[in-house]
Amino acid sequence: ETGVTQSPTHLIKTRGQQVTLRCSSQSGHNTVSWYQQALGQGPQFIFQYYREEENGRGNFPPRFSGLQFPNYSSELNVNALELDDSALYLCASSNIPRVEETQYFGPGTRLLVL
Amino acid sequence: AQTVTQSQPEMSVQEAETVTLSCTYDTSESDYYLFWYKQPPSRQMILVIRQEAYKQQNATENRFSVNFQKAAKSFSLKISDSQLGDAAMYFCAYRSPNFGNEKLTFGTGTRLTIIP
Repeated sequence: ETGVTQSPTHLIKTRGQQVTLRCSSQSGHNTVSWYQQALGQGPQFIFQYYREEENGRGNFPPRFSGLQFPNYSSELNVNALELDDSALYLCASSNIPRVEETQYFGPGTRLLVL
Repeated sequence: AQTVTQSQPEMSVQEAETVTLSCTYDTSESDYYLFWYKQPPSRQMILVIRQEAYKQQNATENRFSVNFQKAAKSFSLKISDSQLGDAAMYFCAYRSPNFGNEKLTFGTGTRLTIIP
């Protein structure tokens, strides 16, 4: 069984640029959730994708957008990067709508915005 | 909206001893799921234990167990026989069972140090 993978592991961008982060879900999972974890804080929910549609969104502006592909992998896109976007970005996969399902996390992508 | 509070930013324990990490939460839902995740320096969030609110029996996973007090909205994690590999940030998380609202709401974490 393949776990959740994310790429790249680290990324450095400058303010105003755009970035795309990628996530491959665990084998057998159909849902991907994205979280932002600022230094010293708990992860904050960005959004979730189920069957290629957004299925819930947290308190993040529209410049955070996403995609899910037919193989259930997902992308997180952030436009017009700001310094505060520097964080660890985590994706998690699960298999809803099995309500008892647990989210399993990838290793994260560390984004630094200069 | 649900909130999760972890009031202990840091905890330390001697190797082989027992430590308890605290978590409280606020919700108006009657059914939900609670989780403890561990995040070592490698950054990957690892599931430690899960509790379904409708189950009265406290969950256990080897050296890890929880004390789930639904009325008090408390969900503490007990680690027995602490090992050096247990050193990490520990996050408590809440999840609604409702479709379209499966997001995890996390606390701010507790950094656990194991003293050899």
